[in-house]
Amino acid sequence: DQQVKQNSPSLSVQEGRISILNCDYTNSMFDYFLWYKKYPAEGPTFLISISSIKDKNEDGRFTVFLNKSAKHLSLHIVPSQPGDSAVYFCAARDDYKLSFGAGTTVTVRA
Amino acid sequence: NAGVMQNPRHLVRRRGQEARLRCSPMKGHSHVYWYRQLPEEGLKFMVYLQKENIIDESGMPKERFSAEFPKEGPSILRIQQVVRGDSAAYFCASADQGSGFTEAFFGQGTRLTVV
Repeated sequence: DQQVKQNSPSLSVQEGRISILNCDYTNSMFDYFLWYKKYPAEGPTFLISISSIKDKNEDGRFTVFLNKSAKHLSLHIVPSQPGDSAVYFCAARDDYKLSFGAGTTVTVRA
Repeated sequence: NAGVMQNPRHLVRRRGQEARLRCSPMKGHSHVYWYRQLPEEGLKFMVYLQKENIIDESGMPKERFSAEFPKEGPSILRIQQVVRGDSAAYFCASADQGSGFTEAFFGQGTRLTVV
């Protein structure tokens, strides 16, 4: 039962342009949402998060938007840089457990 | 995530052998999570432990898999009689509290290969 879905397995974007990653969820009990970034052969690293009581959180080039009514969140990266090429996981918290999406592989082209 | 230490980084086992994966959480963290990532898939929850307690093992296969987090020492994920389908990357994460944590910190993972 996949409660967190990332429907785009991959995304290719030109350097300097905006990357938009999408995530949908089904569990209305999720109260906190996180994005993790993962390079090959490394563990996921925390990127940015948002509480369910907010609709936007910004940190430098990264902004996360939450639409609770649509059960949808998105991560915007602007401008995209070559070092942003990685797998991005959306995660949602229900009490003590994090549920993850399958990930979106972002490739930033020079 | 450098604070969460997993070892070994790579582990090769023959079918039928036992695999032991270790995880030392960040200093001060008493909550440990194990996740598994199969090839081409996302991270799947396996088990959540506090010191000396298994809180939620709903993601663990019912047979051959076990986990512990003793009062002293690292958390251990044990897989007995490994099969090829157990080949995956196993990630440990720690948090400073159960409910209410705002981020979990992951280790670099152990890549298990069953031959």
